Amino acid sequence: NAGVTQTPKFQVLKTGQSMTLQCAQDMNHEYMSWYRQDPGMGLRLIHYSVGAGITDQGEVPNGYNVSRSTTEDFPLRLLSAAPSQTSVYFCASSLGTGGYTFGSGTRLTVV
Amino acid sequence: GQQLNQSPQSMFIQEGEDVSMNCTSSSIFNTWLWYKQDPGEGPVLLIALYKAGELTSNGRLTAQFGITRKDSFLNISASIPSDVGIYFCAGHNYGGSQGNLIFGKGTKLSVKP
Repeated sequence: NAGVTQTPKFQVLKTGQSMTLQCAQDMNHEYMSWYRQDPGMGLRLIHYSVGAGITDQGEVPNGYNVSRSTTEDFPLRLLSAAPSQTSVYFCASSLGTGGYTFGSGTRLTVV
Repeated sequence: GQQLNQSPQSMFIQEGEDVSMNCTSSSIFNTWLWYKQDPGEGPVLLIALYKAGELTSNGRLTAQFGITRKDSFLNISASIPSDVGIYFCAGHNYGGSQGNLIFGKGTKLSVKP
């Protein structure tokens, strides 16, 4: 039981490049979310999903896409990376009653 | 949107002291959660509160769900060096936007041995 697995752990992108941050969970959780963490800002919700085939926008969705084709996976796509997207990204999953389990994060730098 | 005000922003305490931090919201929540984040890691759930007025303990940690449903506090008794980290409160309303877990900005705790 690995919990929530995020890959890669570190990534450097050039402005304008695209990439996908991977997230997988093996706990059969219906709810999955992506957050970004910036100094002094806490964790801000980017996108979330309440089940396979269902996604919705969070607080800061611009510049990011998500899809949920399976219960286990919830990838986050950066369409055209910008320096403002330099951040630490966390994926989390839950059964739905509040207690989210977080991955260990992806540290992204856009130059 | 909903916002959580978490205080204090940071604390410097001596080992053995008790710690108290709190969170207030402009709107009500069904669930209050407290997380701890160690450097380079994701947040880890410490305590979950599901009912107004609920008081729950986890070892040296005690948290309460305010009766107005707009606030929560976390106490740590007899602090030790491994308590160092950032503590986050989070509010959640399941039944509406199910993924909408709102976080406070965190309390950074430093413990002097």
